[in-house]
Amino acid sequence: AQSVTQLDSQVPVFEEAPVELRCNYSSSVSVYLFWYVQYPNQGLQLLLKYLSGSTLVESINGFEAEFNKSQTSFHLRKPSVHISDTAEYFCAVGRGNQGGKLIFGQGTELSVKP
Amino acid sequence: GAVVSQHPSWVICKSGTSVKIECRSLDFQATTMFWYRQFPKQSLMLMATSNEGSKATYEQGVEKDKFLINHASLTLSTLTVTSAHPEDSSFYICSANTKDYGYTFGSGTRLTVV
Repeated sequence: AQSVTQLDSQVPVFEEAPVELRCNYSSSVSVYLFWYVQYPNQGLQLLLKYLSGSTLVESINGFEAEFNKSQTSFHLRKPSVHISDTAEYFCAVGRGNQGGKLIFGQGTELSVKP
Repeated sequence: GAVVSQHPSWVICKSGTSVKIECRSLDFQATTMFWYRQFPKQSLMLMATSNEGSKATYEQGVEKDKFLINHASLTLSTLTVTSAHPEDSSFYICSANTKDYGYTFGSGTRLTVV
């Protein structure tokens, strides 16, 4: 069975500071990893994903995540956050880009303060 | 990109009534649709997986007679909460999964049962 653990339920940070949201997973098979962002009362938006290839993946708005197989981690980082990054972030694991269900972590609430 | 249109975005109903939530895939065909439930400040919990033309597969602990899922066409999946009670109040999100677009989420439905 697969599982995802997001180690921090809340991360407060000041604007322009760096941030890391931690995610660890467990699985007995090869997995695909995702980070989603959710704004209040909205659905999920894909931030970035790792399917194969380069272990460092980037999003268009400055986030990046690195797949670390030995540590079974997929931490999300941003060198300088903005107020608009305030949202809930979910790490998810799946068994493929098609067909398999996604298992979500508990979520991390990122709160960026001025 | 792929879009999943979910309606209604919010609904208030009286205890004992039924509510139907629709998810439509726009400009693509969704052979598989996942239905999630999210309580405030919590993660998404998979309720069921529906495949077009066949019965839905429910996760353990989800009442299939209470949460009726229909996936009669490649572009429409519905979730009906039957005989709703206040404890059914939650945020419901659908997600389509295709080979070309991966996972695409609806915008969610906030259900409040009074």
